[in-house]
Amino acid sequence: DGGITQSPKYLFRKEGQNVTLSCEQNLNHDAMYWYRQDPGQGLRLIYYSQIVNDFQKGDIAEGYSVSREKKESFPLTVTSAQKNPTAFYLCASSIGDRVYEQYFGPGTRLTVT
Amino acid sequence: GQQVMQIPQYQHVQEGEDFTTYCNSSTTLSNIQWYKQRPGGHPVFLIQLVKSGEVKKQKRLTFQFGEAKKNSSLHITATQTTDVGTYFCAALNSGYSTLTFGKGTMLLVSP
Repeated sequence: DGGITQSPKYLFRKEGQNVTLSCEQNLNHDAMYWYRQDPGQGLRLIYYSQIVNDFQKGDIAEGYSVSREKKESFPLTVTSAQKNPTAFYLCASSIGDRVYEQYFGPGTRLTVT
Repeated sequence: GQQVMQIPQYQHVQEGEDFTTYCNSSTTLSNIQWYKQRPGGHPVFLIQLVKSGEVKKQKRLTFQFGEAKKNSSLHITATQTTDVGTYFCAALNSGYSTLTFGKGTMLLVSP
């Protein structure tokens, strides 16, 4: 079964701790994306990567970091510098090469207290 | 990036009634995509519109792209309870590598 997996589904952390969210895809897609979703706010782009070993900041990158060492993996680290980290985090991928339809993973709901 | 405004924010209909959500931009869009997110789920791609004045249908869903490519709409005929969810439009940004999503329209359908 091809798709995008995110783990875990729910994550709880104490304030001041860094946390890494996993995103893996077996669709052989070049492009991968991280979004944050807050109630009533739609999806806001955190980081994206169009190719291995390269990534760009999105609209709300502050307090987040990413890596893209493998084509199939794009982990997101929520650092202690992110002032309001509690949110629903969605990872997505697309074929790239000017094909823009995005496929989303099931998401990780992060709660920081 | 682009800014897309989506209205209404929320709509509650009786099953069988029609539903429309609108997506508007102050700038010309190269394309527009529509996604559906069920409660507790993740967004799922529905369709992409590229041409001025384009109309596409998927069963009871009709998607339109305005003549000036600054607005789009999604119309559902005779809603069913399975239509419940949030519908997002998304515009391709000028660099052709990212999307800007509207804030979505939440649809609730009562049986």
